[in-house]
Amino acid sequence: GAGVSQSPSNKVTEKGKDVELRCDPISGHTALYWYRQSLGQGLEFLIYFQGNSAPDKSGLPSDRFSAERTGGSVSTLTIQRTQQEDSAVYLCASRRATGGAEGYTFGSGTRLTVV
Amino acid sequence: DQQVKQNSPSLSVQEGRISILNCDYTNSMFDYFLWYKKYPAEGPTFLISISSIKDKNEDGRFTVFLNKSAKHLSLHIVPSQPGDSAVYFCAASALANSKLTFGKGITLSVRP
Repeated sequence: GAGVSQSPSNKVTEKGKDVELRCDPISGHTALYWYRQSLGQGLEFLIYFQGNSAPDKSGLPSDRFSAERTGGSVSTLTIQRTQQEDSAVYLCASRRATGGAEGYTFGSGTRLTVV
Repeated sequence: DQQVKQNSPSLSVQEGRISILNCDYTNSMFDYFLWYKKYPAEGPTFLISISSIKDKNEDGRFTVFLNKSAKHLSLHIVPSQPGDSAVYFCAASALANSKLTFGKGITLSVRP
């Protein structure tokens, strides 16, 4: 597609439930990033996929968070046993392999609210 | 430990005047710096960048200045326009790793 697509755009879930957030990157973009923005905070790095390399998971805040990228395209971020502190906007970005940092294209994000 | 700091949460300027947005960083490994602009309910969009080998980069109304010795950069917008009203994020990366580290952002309001 023309841009990075994220779904759902909004998600309200009960504490303790699992959620899945989806990201469709731009076709041909081999690098994919997940960030989140909590209220009053900057964008916090979560995880980075580059081609077939092992993902950089250094930003995942706990083992309740996991992500996968199937076929080098669509990515799913899963949060298990959600907590209220998981409430945030989750942003996905993709980039061409040879693109510089300005080549990041962000989606509009998924606003997650845990009640 | 915040490696990229935007200490002012908001800035309000008159249309036509200059907007100066500041950013400080602590990690000396950073060598590439960017500014992103974000409107509500949209993802951030790239605005302008600067490499550590330069001290200034200009693109139309937008100029970014880098002071490596002070680990400080600033974004100048002149003249400011009401459509510039948005949240501006400063970000940095190290050459070997394109992962971006972002500041908390600053909300710019340009008054007509």
